[in-house]
Parts: sequence; C-alpha cells; structure tokens
Amino acid sequence: DQQVKQNSPSLSVQEGRISILNCDYTNSMFDYFLWYKKYPAEGPTFLISISSIKDKNEDGRFTVFLNKSAKHLSLHIVPSQPGDSAVYFCAASVRGTYKYIFGTGTRLKVLA
Amino acid sequence: EAGVTQSPTHLIKTRGQQATLRCSPISGHTSVYWYQQALGLGLQFLLWYDEGEERNRGNFPPRFSGRQFPNYSSELNVNALELEDSALYLCASSSVAKNIQYFGAGTRLSVL
Repeated sequence: DQQVKQNSPSLSVQEGRISILNCDYTNSMFDYFLWYKKYPAEGPTFLISISSIKDKNEDGRFTVFLNKSAKHLSLHIVPSQPGDSAVYFCAASVRGTYKYIFGTGTRLKVLA
Repeated sequence: EAGVTQSPTHLIKTRGQQATLRCSPISGHTSVYWYQQALGLGLQFLLWYDEGEERNRGNFPPRFSGRQFPNYSSELNVNALELEDSALYLCASSSVAKNIQYFGAGTRLSVL
C-alpha cells in the first residue's frame, strides 16, 4: 500500500529553468509534509516542509505547494542549478506520530 | 555541530547471522528513527525511539529490534538475516521542539 507516490522516477531540466517535482498521497490524515534531497553515499538532507494549514511555503529557491483537495504536493526549484542534481523524496506524516511515509524518489538532473 | 553518525558504513553478513548497526544522534536530540531503503524502494519506517522507549514500529518482523541508550544513541539489531534484508539502513534524529528528522549517511548491509 503506497500511501505516498512519486510517479516520475526521473526528470531532466536545463540550468536556470524551473524544476517541478510532484508527489501524491492517499491518506487524508496526513497533515505534515516534507521534501528531502539525497546525494549518492549521503543521507537525505531536509529541504523544506509544509503544514496542512498552509498551501504554500517558500525558502529561497525552493517552494512547496500543497493542494489538499487533490492530495498533491509539488516542489518548485527556481532557478535550477547543476548542484541541485540529486534524488528528491517527499514524505508525509500525521502530526504526533513522528512516523514519516516516504515516496520512492525522483532523480533530478540539471543540465549545464 | 556534528550530525547524525552511523557505524559501520558497510556490513557484510551471511544468511542466518545477526547484524548490529549503531547510530549517534545530533547533540540535544532525544528521538532516534530507523529506516530501511531497499533497492528501488523508498525509505520504509522501521522503528522510533524516544527517551529510551520504543514509541512506534513499522511493518517489519520481530527479528528487527533495537534499543536506545541513556546517552540517546541507538542500536538496530537484525536477527536471522535473510537475503532480502540487504539494504541501506538510515538513522535519523529529531528534537522534541521540532518535527524535522535529520539523517545520517546510512549503513549498507549486504547479506550473502
């Protein structure tokens, strides 16, 4: 039962353009969402999070959008840089459970 | 400030043996989480420890167990190893104040 889905295993974007990574979830109890970035041979690094009471959260070049009715969130990276090339995971949790459910990841490649 | 540290980096065992993986959380963090990332899959939640107690457990058999020590470091034990236990095991920690998990680089367990 895949409660958090990242349907695009990979994405290629030109440097300077926008990268949009998508994530869908099925459990309506999820109320906290996060994005992590993972480089090879390293652990996932926290990027940005959003609570279900918001529909947008920005941090520098990274913006996360949440559409609760569609059970969909997306991560926008603008402008994309070659150093952004990594695997991106979305995660969801029910506040208080401290248990994250992760998607399978999207490999982003930013082309110089 | 040191991040989450895990040891060993790599571990090779044979079927039926036991594996012990170790994790030191970020200083000041009281919660430790364990995840399994098998090839091609997302991170699967294994265990959550807080203040020395097991708080939550994922869908894994009882041969996956662990503990948290008074200094908040943690051990994950996998008994009666099976080939499908081969995976990257990631440890994360968080503080009480903030529901963000910070990950170590992982231990790659290979079962032959």
